[in-house]
Amino acid sequence: DSGVTQTPKHLITATGQRVTLRCSPRSGDLSVYWYQQSLDQGLQFLIQYYNGEERAKGNILERFSAQQFPDLHSELNLSSLELGDSALYFCASSVEGLYNTEAFFGQGTRLTVV
Amino acid sequence: GENVEQHPSTLSVQEGDSAVIKCTYSDSASNYFPWYKQELGKRPQLIIDIRSNVGEKKDQRIAVTLNKTAKHFSLHITETQPEDSAVYFCAASTGRRALTFGSGTRLQVQP
Repeated sequence: DSGVTQTPKHLITATGQRVTLRCSPRSGDLSVYWYQQSLDQGLQFLIQYYNGEERAKGNILERFSAQQFPDLHSELNLSSLELGDSALYFCASSVEGLYNTEAFFGQGTRLTVV
Repeated sequence: GENVEQHPSTLSVQEGDSAVIKCTYSDSASNYFPWYKQELGKRPQLIIDIRSNVGEKKDQRIAVTLNKTAKHFSLHITETQPEDSAVYFCAASTGRRALTFGSGTRLQVQP
């Protein structure tokens, strides 16, 4: 167990719908990252939050948004869903310092858009 | 931003042989280079990492080398075993930035 909790584990929804994925980072970790992994593909960085503020943005679609709350949990909102959004969405968290440290991944949310 | 290229995309070796996976990065400011192993349907897990002030690091059958001048780093697995079969990702980051991952290498160890 990495200490990073993601809910739900599985999600099936229809095209055009909106879903929210939730992530609770490890205790003490201020950074939260979201990654998308399509079938047999690599890990695509979506967005990073640090202590409630957006720190970096990757290849995140305008239909997607995220936020990090005061208790440091994060939510990834996906709207106007398309079939191509079906993927495994990972959240990761890390402690920050002079050098970056290990990112711990949650078990992922498998999103299926039908 | 950072760009990480990883080769090969697939690698098949016989049990007991060595496996080498190579990555190059673009941002000379990158200072942290972890390697993750991902088994089918599971989360990526760190297997070894190296920082820019170190040229080589070893942990049992796994070693990583870093050449900052050439901006490349490699993962070496010796005496491979069937349980080493998985997808391996290299990554790089600069300070407080998110990890940028390579595209992954699917390693198959044949018994």
